[in-house]
Amino acid sequence: GNSVTQMEGPVTLSEEAFLTINCTYTATGYPSLFWYVQYPGEGLQLLLKATKADDKGSNKGFEATYRKETTSFHLEKGSVQVSDSAVYFCALSVQYSSASKIIFGSGTRLSIRP
Amino acid sequence: GAVVSQHPSWVICKSGTSVKIECRSLDFQATTMFWYRQFPKQSLMLMATSNEGSKATYEQGVEKDKFLINHASLTLSTLTVTSAHPEDSSFYICSAFIAGLTDTQYFGPGTRLTVL
Repeated sequence: GNSVTQMEGPVTLSEEAFLTINCTYTATGYPSLFWYVQYPGEGLQLLLKATKADDKGSNKGFEATYRKETTSFHLEKGSVQVSDSAVYFCALSVQYSSASKIIFGSGTRLSIRP
Repeated sequence: GAVVSQHPSWVICKSGTSVKIECRSLDFQATTMFWYRQFPKQSLMLMATSNEGSKATYEQGVEKDKFLINHASLTLSTLTVTSAHPEDSSFYICSAFIAGLTDTQYFGPGTRLTVL
């Protein structure tokens, strides 16, 4: 079946530290991969996505590369800020009729210390 | 960007009552909307897929008679939690697609339901 596994949190880092949140997936076919972010008190927002192998998604200093050989889509940022504190969800999409279902990982809570 | 709204943002109700949650796409048409449920500090669980003008498709284990979904127009889907019980207390989130952009979902801000 289709599933997403991401590292458990919470992850606590100091400001300007390097961030990696691991994500691996299992899927039939060729899914698109996503990272969503949920800031405190807000709804989910798409952070970045990649639609095929070796694609790199990037946004707001975050990056993730679609690695088919390792079935991974790890999220990285070179220097985190306090404002990056949020819950991050790795996800994949599977085609369903005319739209796509999204399957989410369990989420990783990130806290950044000033 | 595309905006999806939900109403109400939070609701408290007594056990045994029914609660309706609305999901609207404000500036685009959405032939397909999804309803999710999120428990505290957990991931989103897909409950059902709502298609405009047809019956919703429910995920395994989701009671369709308890969670009634209606998608009467291209901009509105509703989720009604019937005869709510405390275990139905949760955060309910909808998402919508822009027609033609099948990979891009836009999420509503969620509705927190508390059943006393």
